[in-house]
Amino acid sequence: RKEVEQDPGPFNVPEGATVAFNCTYSNSASQSFFWYRQDCRKEPKLLMSVYSSGNEDGRFTAQLNRASQYISLLIRDSKLSDSATYLCVGLLSGGYNKLIFGAGTRLAVHP
Amino acid sequence: NAGVMQNPRHLVRRRGQEARLRCSPMKGHSHVYWYRQLPEEGLKFMVYLQKENIIDESGMPKERFSAEFPKEGPSILRIQQVVRGDSAAYFCASSPGQGGHEQYFGPGTRLTVT
Repeated sequence: RKEVEQDPGPFNVPEGATVAFNCTYSNSASQSFFWYRQDCRKEPKLLMSVYSSGNEDGRFTAQLNRASQYISLLIRDSKLSDSATYLCVGLLSGGYNKLIFGAGTRLAVHP
Repeated sequence: NAGVMQNPRHLVRRRGQEARLRCSPMKGHSHVYWYRQLPEEGLKFMVYLQKENIIDESGMPKERFSAEFPKEGPSILRIQQVVRGDSAAYFCASSPGQGGHEQYFGPGTRLTVT
């Protein structure tokens, strides 16, 4: 079983739609979680950290449920520029500093 | 403030040759990480280094791959006797210190083995 699992998509949605991505993790040693965004053939860029209390950044909301080992990302009012691959990422801490990446979920927003 | 720099951006090698990938971390960052992304796959951790020290190389293949981060100069990922399966994007990231929770990625080096 992969340490971080995501639905690969693609998710094809019209502009203005709300879309939700889910992610599960198996390694309870992962202490921190993030969503990264990766555009085609580019480097991943940090989108936001994920907290149990939930956090929101503009149109983006992330949530972590440690009991279920489940992470989510909600994008409201999708824009064409949101088209990218969204990577669910866990950080193995305790001196390791190792990021564990999911394979990513592709989002395509169309007019 | 320049970001993480990697060079070359594209590298073509024939089977059996050596590949050297370079990474200069962001100014003030002393922790460097290398990740590999195979086509249509997610990024996989390879190695974590601090200046002159390898902290965690659990993701490095046992043979042909090595990494260093000398006191002066960039971090180097070296692949000896490359094979077609080494073709991938190699990303370097850096962070300012302990915790590593904010890793900033370079643009990557795309290695093609012919």
